[in-house]
Amino acid sequence: QKEVEQDPGPLSVPEGAIVSLNCTYSNSAFQYFMWYRQYSRKGPELLMYTYSSGNKEDGRFTAQVDKSSKYISLFIRDSQPSDSATYLCAMSASNFGNEKLTFGTGTRLTIIP
Amino acid sequence: GAGVSQTPSNKVTEKGKYVELRCDPISGHTALYWYRQSLGQGPEFLIYFQGTGAADDSGLPNDRFFAVRPEGSVSTLKIQRTERGDSAVYLCASSALAEDLGEQFFGPGTRLTVL
Repeated sequence: QKEVEQDPGPLSVPEGAIVSLNCTYSNSAFQYFMWYRQYSRKGPELLMYTYSSGNKEDGRFTAQVDKSSKYISLFIRDSQPSDSATYLCAMSASNFGNEKLTFGTGTRLTIIP
Repeated sequence: GAGVSQTPSNKVTEKGKYVELRCDPISGHTALYWYRQSLGQGPEFLIYFQGTGAADDSGLPNDRFFAVRPEGSVSTLKIQRTERGDSAVYLCASSALAEDLGEQFFGPGTRLTVL
């Protein structure tokens, strides 16, 4: 069993819809939870991060962490065609840039105009 | 350049050959990471450098893989006796030590194809 599980999709939704992306994990040591966006033939770029449990909002994006259930989510409101990409969840036990990231498989998302 | 750069962008080699992949991190970043991303998968950790030393090499799959960072900046990932299963995108990331999240910035990757 992988430490981080993520539905690979693909997921297609119409423009303007709310998108929900999710990951589950098994390692209780994970404290930092991140969402990366990866466009085709590009490196991943950090979209949002959350420390421990709770919600964090940034514009159209909301990240949620439920450590009791070992479940994290990313919501995208008012989805745009430019949001079409692969979304990767990632986790680490510590911050300070000195810890490897453990990634999910990634969910390929397509927003249909 | 402001970001992490990797060369070459694409590398095609034959089974059994030796390859070197290069990473130029963001200037001033002390931490450097190598990940491998197979088709349809998320990146998998290979090795992490803090300065010149490998702080964690637990992700290297076997002794055919080796990485160096002799001056604490540029890093080279070396793969000996390549196998078809080594075909993947090799990603490099760098980060600075920070009180808050030390964000890892990724390069565009080197796409390695072993024929």
